[in-house]
Amino acid sequence: DQQVKQNSPSLSVQEGRISILNCDYTNSMFDYFLWYKKYPAEGPTFLISISSIKDKNEDGRFTVFLNKSAKHLSLHIVPSQPGDSAVYFCAASPNTGNQFYFGTGTSLTVIP
Amino acid sequence: GAVVSQHPSWVICKSGTSVKIECRSLDFQATTMFWYRQFPKQSLMLMATSNEGSKATYEQGVEKDKFLINHASLTLSTLTVTSAHPEDSSFYICSARSGTGGVDTQYFGPGTRLTVL
Repeated sequence: DQQVKQNSPSLSVQEGRISILNCDYTNSMFDYFLWYKKYPAEGPTFLISISSIKDKNEDGRFTVFLNKSAKHLSLHIVPSQPGDSAVYFCAASPNTGNQFYFGTGTSLTVIP
Repeated sequence: GAVVSQHPSWVICKSGTSVKIECRSLDFQATTMFWYRQFPKQSLMLMATSNEGSKATYEQGVEKDKFLINHASLTLSTLTVTSAHPEDSSFYICSARSGTGGVDTQYFGPGTRLTVL
C-alpha cells in the first residue's frame, strides 16, 4: 500500500523557469514531510523539510508547500538549473524521528 | 556534512548463498540506522529500523529471518541477506541518524546493488 505518491514519474523544465514537483499522501498521521534529491547509484540527499504546523518553508531556490486538508505537498524550484536534474523523492514521517515513507520519485530534467 | 558509507557498493552472488552488507557512519555516532530497499523505478521501501544494542524492528511483510540486521556498535550496522534468491536482487540503502538529530538529520549511504544469479 503506497502511502506516499508522486504521480508524475518525470518532468522537464527549461533552465531559469520554475519546477513544481507534487506529492500526495494518504495517512493523516503523517506530520513531518521531507524532500530528497537522488542521483543514480547514490543515496538520497536531504533537501528541505516541513512540519505539519506550517504550510510553507523556504530555503534559497527551494520552497515546499503543504496543504494538510488536501494531503498534498509540493516542491518549487526557482529558478531551475541544469544541476537540479535528478530524481526527487518526497517522504513522510508519522512521528519525530523514525521511519520515512517514500514516494516513487519524480525524475526532473532541466534543459539548458 | 555527515558521511555514511556502505560496503560493498555492488555484489553479485549465486542463488542460495548469503550476502552481508555493511553500513558505517564515518564521523558521527548513529543511535538509529534504517535499511531501505529500492526496486527499479519504485520508491525506497523501509525494511527495518535498528537501534544500537537491541533487536531490529521490521516493517510488515519483511522476513526477519531472511534479512538479518545487526547493529553492533554506534557506527556499524549490517544487513545479511540469507539464502538469497533472484527476487532479492535490488538496491539496498542504509541511513543513519545521530542521537541528537531530528528527522531531517538522517544521512543516507550510497547504496549497495545486489544481483542474485
